[in-house]
Amino acid sequence: DQQVKQNSPSLSVQEGRISILNCDYTNSMFDYFLWYKKYPAEGPTFLISISSIKDKNEDGRFTVFLNKSAKHLSLHIVPSQPGDSAVYFCAASARIQGAQKLVFGQGTRLTINP
Amino acid sequence: SQTIHQWPATLVQPVGSPLSLECTVEGTSNPNLYWYRQAAGRGLQLLFYSVGIGQISSEVPQNLSASRPQDRQFILSSKKLLLSDSGFYLCAYLRDGFYEQYFGPGTRLTVT
Repeated sequence: DQQVKQNSPSLSVQEGRISILNCDYTNSMFDYFLWYKKYPAEGPTFLISISSIKDKNEDGRFTVFLNKSAKHLSLHIVPSQPGDSAVYFCAASARIQGAQKLVFGQGTRLTINP
Repeated sequence: SQTIHQWPATLVQPVGSPLSLECTVEGTSNPNLYWYRQAAGRGLQLLFYSVGIGQISSEVPQNLSASRPQDRQFILSSKKLLLSDSGFYLCAYLRDGFYEQYFGPGTRLTVT
């Protein structure tokens, strides 16, 4: 039972263009959503987040959109740069049995082509 | 500022041998602590979490155990490793009142 899904295992984008990474979730109990970026053999790095009461959050080149009715969120990167090439994980947060837990998607490998 | 350390960075162990991975956090008190595993080509699977010293919750029944002997120390252990224990192990912390978990650099475990 995958509560958080990233249906695209990989995405290839031209440098300077927009990268759009998508994520779907099934559990209405999630109250916060996060995106992480991961390079090989390193721990994930927190990128940007959004509360379930908002529909957009922007931080520099990164914007996260949340569509609660569709249970869908997306990460937009504009403009894409070669250093953005990495695996991106979306995660959904819920407080369960007194502890905050994150449920992660499977990840999307983003490749930015020069 | 907070920092999180994990060691060792890489480990190659034979089947049936014991395991001890350590994680420490600096710069914060009473964090929630988490152990995750990432198998090859997969997402992050939560293994254990702890909300305080001596308090451990297990997410998935398995060959591993966890302990929290001190406020900012989290240990992942096994008495006898299996081949299926191979993977990339990540420790993370969460500060009270926040949503973002921050991850350590990870330990690559290969069981041979």
